[in-house]
Amino acid sequence: DAGITQSPRHKVTETGTPVTLRCHQTENHRYMYWYRQDPGHGLRLIHYSYGVKDTDKGEVSDGYSVSRSKTEDFLLTLESATSSQTSVYFCAISSGVWQAKPNTFGSGTRLTVV
Amino acid sequence: EDQVTQSPEALRLQEGESSSLNCSYTVSGLRGLFWYRQDPGKGPEFLFTLYSAGEEKEKERLKATITKKESFLHITAPKPEDSATYLCAVLASGSRLTFGEGTQLTVNP
Repeated sequence: DAGITQSPRHKVTETGTPVTLRCHQTENHRYMYWYRQDPGHGLRLIHYSYGVKDTDKGEVSDGYSVSRSKTEDFLLTLESATSSQTSVYFCAISSGVWQAKPNTFGSGTRLTVV
Repeated sequence: EDQVTQSPEALRLQEGESSSLNCSYTVSGLRGLFWYRQDPGKGPEFLFTLYSAGEEKEKERLKATITKKESFLHITAPKPEDSATYLCAVLASGSRLTFGEGTQLTVNP
């Protein structure tokens, strides 16, 4: 996926441990998003960022925090992982106005909490 | 509350057999409807944006149309490489992007 790199691609972690997922973009886009994708649900927005140090909550933000110290990096942290956070996580970027459709998605991080 | 429902959940076609995918939506003040394609193990790839009833967009074998209540993704003479999950999402006034669950399309050679 041109312009976005997510790491790690796969991770297994234990309940109660902190986990940080990283999203790196080379497009210099202002807006960055974290989504989760689960069977039976569409993609759901966790958090988003509209600039360096500017972030806000999405519809499923409980248990997650984010940080954006540089334009190119957007970190998602699970403070204390739970089994309900087992999911595939996607980062996305957009050059448009707030809540315009994400132009480009990363390849995802498959997280398993055991 | 904004709602997006895609049907069918899964669709199997023979190569060359044209069909349509449906995206029904209930929103207040549609600002845009978006179609994405998602291949296994990858993130969604943007296909089309539709803004108002009557609008149409085309790309190769795909054509997206929209009415006030639903959108269709028409696939003409599909090929095996068109196999993927197709996602629909809507953006309404004063709210966030809402995604449907997708239609998994399989095109057999």
